[in-house]
Amino acid sequence: QQPVQSPQAVILREGEDAVINCSSSKALYSVHWYRQKHGEAPVFLMILLKGGEQKGHEKISASFNEKKQQSSLYLTASQLSYSGTYFCGTENTGFQKLVFGTGTRLLVSP
Amino acid sequence: SQTIHQWPATLVQPVGSPLSLECTVEGTSNPNLYWYRQAAGRGLQLLFYSVGIGQISSEVPQNLSASRPQDRQFILSSKKLLLSDSGFYLCAWSVGRANEQYFGPGTRLTVT
Repeated sequence: QQPVQSPQAVILREGEDAVINCSSSKALYSVHWYRQKHGEAPVFLMILLKGGEQKGHEKISASFNEKKQQSSLYLTASQLSYSGTYFCGTENTGFQKLVFGTGTRLLVSP
Repeated sequence: SQTIHQWPATLVQPVGSPLSLECTVEGTSNPNLYWYRQAAGRGLQLLFYSVGIGQISSEVPQNLSASRPQDRQFILSSKKLLLSDSGFYLCAWSVGRANEQYFGPGTRLTVT
């Protein structure tokens, strides 16, 4: 089952904050976050593991609620370079097979 | 450092023609390898993944196949392309368990 992301799209002014949510109907082993700019490949941002370990971007934070099977990505003091489509990828088994979410389009304007 | 290559970057093929897309990874050993497809404006769909030479798992039944003839080489093939095969094909790699995936630059395929 594909995880559901919300919102589907968001428009920000530079410097504003945003939260992107990812919700799964299955128990999760890990959640990955990626950003994709138009016409380019996705770029890794964060990984959150069951048990609390996190790895990733210095300026972007995320949370992982294992009980609720949800993750949130927090973009603070947004920059123009944050524009793109954000995807969460969820992993159920620990064997690196990701199911990607529906995507959230973020546009940061000056 | 590790790098991942895909070619060709773009491809236009007629319906019914064969397909071969290649992906190679440098700078790492025994990577997990993945093929994804992304339709225009849509999310990423996992097609195949491999944890070792000759080991291929298929996620979506279709007219595509994958092979891993060498440790760092992953090939996506089709004998006869369909219009619905059009999309952005991405190869990715990771190492071990619960580690981030890194994507190649992708191949944009248009089936006419």
